[in-house]
Amino acid sequence: AQKITQTQPGMFVQEKEAVTLDCTYDTSDPSYGLFWYKQPSSGEMIFLIYQGSYDQQNATEGRYSLNFQKARKSANLVISASQLGDSAMYFCAMGLRTSNTGKLIFGQGTTLQVKP
Amino acid sequence: DAGVIQSPRHEVTEMGQEVTLRCKPISGHDYLFWYRQTMMRGLELLIYFNNNVPIDDSGMPEDRFSAKMPNASFSTLKIQPSEPRDSAVYFCASSQDFIAVTGQFFGPGTRLTVL
Repeated sequence: AQKITQTQPGMFVQEKEAVTLDCTYDTSDPSYGLFWYKQPSSGEMIFLIYQGSYDQQNATEGRYSLNFQKARKSANLVISASQLGDSAMYFCAMGLRTSNTGKLIFGQGTTLQVKP
Repeated sequence: DAGVIQSPRHEVTEMGQEVTLRCKPISGHDYLFWYRQTMMRGLELLIYFNNNVPIDDSGMPEDRFSAKMPNASFSTLKIQPSEPRDSAVYFCASSQDFIAVTGQFFGPGTRLTVL
């Protein structure tokens, strides 16, 4: 069964340091996409980064990078040079497309708090 | 573009009442998604549309929930009759593809409270 697991309910990081948020996924489909979203306390969902299952290189978007280890089925988010504004809930998600429909599955989220 | 627009932002209603949530997706996006977020169950996909056609409603919790997309710029999620366990934040999202490299664009959400 398809599944996303985020094992860290909460994380702390010092401002300006890097932090890694863990995400593992489970699927037998060869084609899928992995996403990370940020949800600040204001509630909106903000797309951060995408990694396709066939992408050879790890995705990067500014201070965000996705450490994609396909054999281990992990897609960890790395935030470099943390800022106070990075304090939020972070969700890992997986999208799969079957022959006539698709699935989108979100993890339970990790709350990140950045300390000044 | 104004982004995905949802209304109302907050809704408080009494058990048994009909609730209608509204969504305007980003112009040009072929996919529209309705999600529900609760503390207990996290973020769940309820239903999604492709070119105004419902593709998968397997996430809709029960027959009290229904969704429509009469045109490319408008969708509704209706709960009739509402129950206290329906209290949640309901998000609408849109994207150009089902798995879009730009991700999905979420609306601000509707916080529903059923008393």
